[in-house]
Amino acid sequence: KAGVTQTPRYLIKTRGQQVTLSCSPISGHRSVSWYQQTPGQGLQFLFEYFSETQRNKGNFPGRFSGRQFSNSRSEMNVSTLELGDSALYLCASSEGLAGNEQFFGPGTRLTVL
Amino acid sequence: QQQVKQSPQSLIVQKGGISIINCAYENTAFDYFPWYQQFPGKGPALLIAIRPDVSEKKEGRFTISFNKSAKQFSLHIMDSQPGDSATYFCAASDVGTASKLTFGTGTRLQVTL
Repeated sequence: KAGVTQTPRYLIKTRGQQVTLSCSPISGHRSVSWYQQTPGQGLQFLFEYFSETQRNKGNFPGRFSGRQFSNSRSEMNVSTLELGDSALYLCASSEGLAGNEQFFGPGTRLTVL
Repeated sequence: QQQVKQSPQSLIVQKGGISIINCAYENTAFDYFPWYQQFPGKGPALLIAIRPDVSEKKEGRFTISFNKSAKQFSLHIMDSQPGDSATYFCAASDVGTASKLTFGTGTRLQVTL
């Protein structure tokens, strides 16, 4: 099976812009979670989608949003970018049951100038 | 509030030695404890995971030890190899929040020749 894929791998934006990141889960996986990784804050949970519904949400401002499509692919959007949004954004997929193994993609490196 | 505390922050081990990384958690609802390995430029990769109904789980050179009463768990890497040099993260989740993983701050392991 192919792993989790994320596009684009690298992105440079300026403050105030918005960005959309894409994630394709492992075939058959119905849950997609998003995490932000920074040197200062480590790995932090953003949100999780299961069957096109947001199931969990982390402590991030409303500028961070996401959605999931019927084929389980997911997108996350960040509006009005701030310098502090520079991070590696990771997507993870799982079969969706509680405590199931999560498999991470390579991430999208976002740089905000 | 950091719910999973990980130590040490960095670790240097000689080839063939044992690497030990420790984590402590606060939330007694946590019931799934995975360890992830991350190489530079890559997403975290699941190494091994344990649930609180067992005190130890071994997969190859990797062993998780779990102490429910102390709310602690640790990763032991036996016969450490230079290829094991990476950052290791412990994590935890509970059945109520399914795929939401709370991560430790990471341990950078260097295995020297």
